[in-house]
Amino acid sequence: GIQVEQSPPDLILQEGANSTLRCNFSDSVNNLQWFHQNPWGQLINLFYIPSGTKQNGRLSATTVATERYSLLYISSSQTTDSGVYFCAVKGEYGNKLVFGAGTILRVKS
Amino acid sequence: DAGVTQSPTHLIKTRGQHVTLRCSPISGHKSVSWYQQVLGQGPQFIFQYYEKEERGRGNFPDRFSARQFPNYSSELNVNALLLGDSALYLCASSSGGLSVYNEQFFGPGTRLTVL
Repeated sequence: GIQVEQSPPDLILQEGANSTLRCNFSDSVNNLQWFHQNPWGQLINLFYIPSGTKQNGRLSATTVATERYSLLYISSSQTTDSGVYFCAVKGEYGNKLVFGAGTILRVKS
Repeated sequence: DAGVTQSPTHLIKTRGQHVTLRCSPISGHKSVSWYQQVLGQGPQFIFQYYEKEERGRGNFPDRFSARQFPNYSSELNVNALLLGDSALYLCASSSGGLSVYNEQFFGPGTRLTVL
């Protein structure tokens, strides 16, 4: 099945810094989502981005489907950005989201 | 509009017992999926239901079963609980049928502890 790798596994930032999270996938995808999991376990939808670029406030994402990767940019990080960021994909004929292992982000004040 | 809701929030069971978890999708969504997330890992797919029929199943033993009701809510049942079943169980709903393009929205999860 399709494999999803996220990097880095852990990231510590000072408040106000910028960061880039990467998601590599092993096969063609028709669906790619980025999530933020808060300390209580809730998965919050950040972007639905099977291709192209989207922006939402301080966050933006780019997916280059032909090269099988996606990037999540966080600018001017805040302590509330802390948590785990997951990339999840569906293959061409998939009916399930396949998740990466996540990136643990800690933003220090 | 209400998002995906799940109950209970937390649950403690002992080995060998049975558990039922419940999920109500976003209004208008007809597809419900269940995922298991063990500590330190990403969620793993268990089941997808659409129009009350199972449409996909992950690599989980037959102790795991689910169903979907006419109002599109869903139950996940786990029999003969093992310590390894301790996890956060997440429910997701999506609109638009079985299309691979559908965005999934997740509920807050049920945290199951098996002692």
